[in-house]
Amino acid sequence: DSGVTQTPKHLITATGQRVTLRCSPRSGDLSVYWYQQSLDQGLQFLIQYYNGEERAKGNILERFSAQQFPDLHSELNLSSLELGDSALYFCASSVALGTGELFFGEGSRLTVL
Amino acid sequence: AQKVTQAQTEISVVEKEDVTLDCVYETRDTTYYLFWYKQPPSGELVFLIRRNSFDEQNEISGRYSWNFQKSTSSFNFTITASQVVDSAVYFCALDLDSSASKIIFGSGTRLSIRP
Repeated sequence: DSGVTQTPKHLITATGQRVTLRCSPRSGDLSVYWYQQSLDQGLQFLIQYYNGEERAKGNILERFSAQQFPDLHSELNLSSLELGDSALYFCASSVALGTGELFFGEGSRLTVL
Repeated sequence: AQKVTQAQTEISVVEKEDVTLDCVYETRDTTYYLFWYKQPPSGELVFLIRRNSFDEQNEISGRYSWNFQKSTSSFNFTITASQVVDSAVYFCALDLDSSASKIIFGSGTRLSIRP
């Protein structure tokens, strides 16, 4: 158990809909990362927050957004969903910048029908 | 451009055999960080090791060992006396700024250990 909690574990929705994925980092970790894992794209970095502020952006679509709240939990919002958005979305946390060691949650599997 | 190549898509060995997972990386930066992560069937990725580009010492942790060779841009991972619990997908990754915000993952190697 990494200490990172993601909800929901599974989500099935229709194209055009909007979903919110939630992540609670390990206690004390200030940095939260979101990754997307799909069969064709592999593991892709989406976005990083550090202590409530966006720190880095990766291959995140404009239809996707995220935020980190004062209690350090984070949410990833996916809107206008397309079939190709079906993937496993991981949240990871680390205690600080520069450690490189990420603790991953079990992921949220999103299926868009 | 930065890239991580794990040429072995799938490997299957019998328990107690040694197995090496290959990882070749590309970067023009002189400072970088290399990682291995394990993704067991349960799904979450588990950190195994981090290496910076200035530290070419090989590392051994129990049955796991890592061979970092800058001359060949490789960071290979060997499991000695493999066990069924080692069955997982293993990812090699490259990070350029140490904050993990630019980690590039390889495509992974699915390792199956047969009893």
